[in-house]
Formats: sequence, C-alpha cells, structure tokens
Amino acid sequence: ETGVTQTPRHLVMGMTNKKSLKCEQHLGHNAMYWYKQSAKKPLELMFVYNFKEQTENNSVPSRFSPECPNSSHLFLHLHTLQPEDSALYLCASSFRTGNANTGELFFGEGSRLTVL
Amino acid sequence: GENVEQHPSTLSVQEGDSAVIKCTYSDSASNYFPWYKQELGKGPQLIIDIRSNVGEKKDQRIAVTLNKTAKHFSLHITETQPEDSAVYFCAASIMDQGGKLIFGQGTELSVKP
Repeated sequence: ETGVTQTPRHLVMGMTNKKSLKCEQHLGHNAMYWYKQSAKKPLELMFVYNFKEQTENNSVPSRFSPECPNSSHLFLHLHTLQPEDSALYLCASSFRTGNANTGELFFGEGSRLTVL
Repeated sequence: GENVEQHPSTLSVQEGDSAVIKCTYSDSASNYFPWYKQELGKGPQLIIDIRSNVGEKKDQRIAVTLNKTAKHFSLHITETQPEDSAVYFCAASIMDQGGKLIFGQGTELSVKP
C-alpha cells in the first residue's frame, strides 16, 4: 500500500456540483497538506494541517473547504467551482515537531479535477 | 516572501550526457533545499535535499550544490538514462518557521536514447 493515497484519481464536475477529494496517509505523519498543480505553474500550497489543526490557509477561495478529522485523513470539499480551478490536486504529509518541518514531504499521486 | 526561480523550463539531453538544472531563491533565511522528481501520472518524489550548512551533496549519479552567498542551488545528473526523463522541481524553505516549501516552476527533462 502506498504511503499517501488519494481518491478519486480523476474527477469531472459541473460548476454547481459538490464533490470531495480524499487523502489518507499510512506513514505515521502528523502534518498534511493540499497543493494545487496547474500547467506551467509552480506547485501552490493551499492548506496545512498540523496535528489536525489548520495552521495555514494560503488565501484559498472559500469554495475550497478542507477537513482533517484525524492526522491520517484529509479531505478537500469542493463547491461551486470555476473552470480555472481545473488542476491536479496533490496531498502530502510530513513529520513536524512543533512549528518545524523535519524534512521530506511525501506526496500522493494526485486527483485530476476538471470543472466544466 | 520567498520566491524561487528555476531554469531551464525544458531540457533535452542525449543518454549518457549530464544535465544541470539551476534555481535561485530570494530569502536569505531559507535553509532547506529539496529537489523533487515527478514522473508522468505520479506525485512528486524527493530525490535529494541539502541544508544550508553544506555546500554539496551527492547520491550516486545525482548531486546538488548550494551557493548561499549568491542564493542559488543546482541539481546535477550525470550519465543520464531514459528513466531520468521527468519533471524536476526545486524548492526552498525555512525549516524551523513552519517549513513551508516554495517551489520553482519545474524543468521538464527529456533523455533521448
């Protein structure tokens, strides 16, 4: 079983739909992240959860709503998205001590989202 | 805030040649510089990293160099193989201030047999 698992791998939704992306990590990490990857752009950090507490929201529109019920699961709830939100959404996890990230981020394979 | 610039955006080399990808960063407080490789249809995977107290690090065919004064770091791949073809991302962060990774734009490396 891979370290960080994301479902679904592909999602097509209309602008009025509500859907969710799911991420699960099996590495014993205590921090989880959502990144957005658009073509020809750097990976953009969206949210950071440290011990289930949201510690960073990188000015993400409210149509993206994260949820972290425990340190192994992370969701991204999607509502009334725009076509420009189409991208690859990557989940990652790491081990943090307090406010210090101790090293490597482990990424999932991503959820490819298309908004029609 | 931190800004990371990565060049080139695409790089094509013959199998066996070397490949070099360069990044510059803006925040002199950054002290951790990882490199990630992303193969088609997969998430990025760490291949090597370097901390600011070291000038160079090597792992088999991959090496990374860091020039703190000039605020740039580079990835060197020697004896390239077709399986090295992927998108490579550099990143910079301040480890004890949240460790938020700021990524470069990525370099698409193509190794031709």
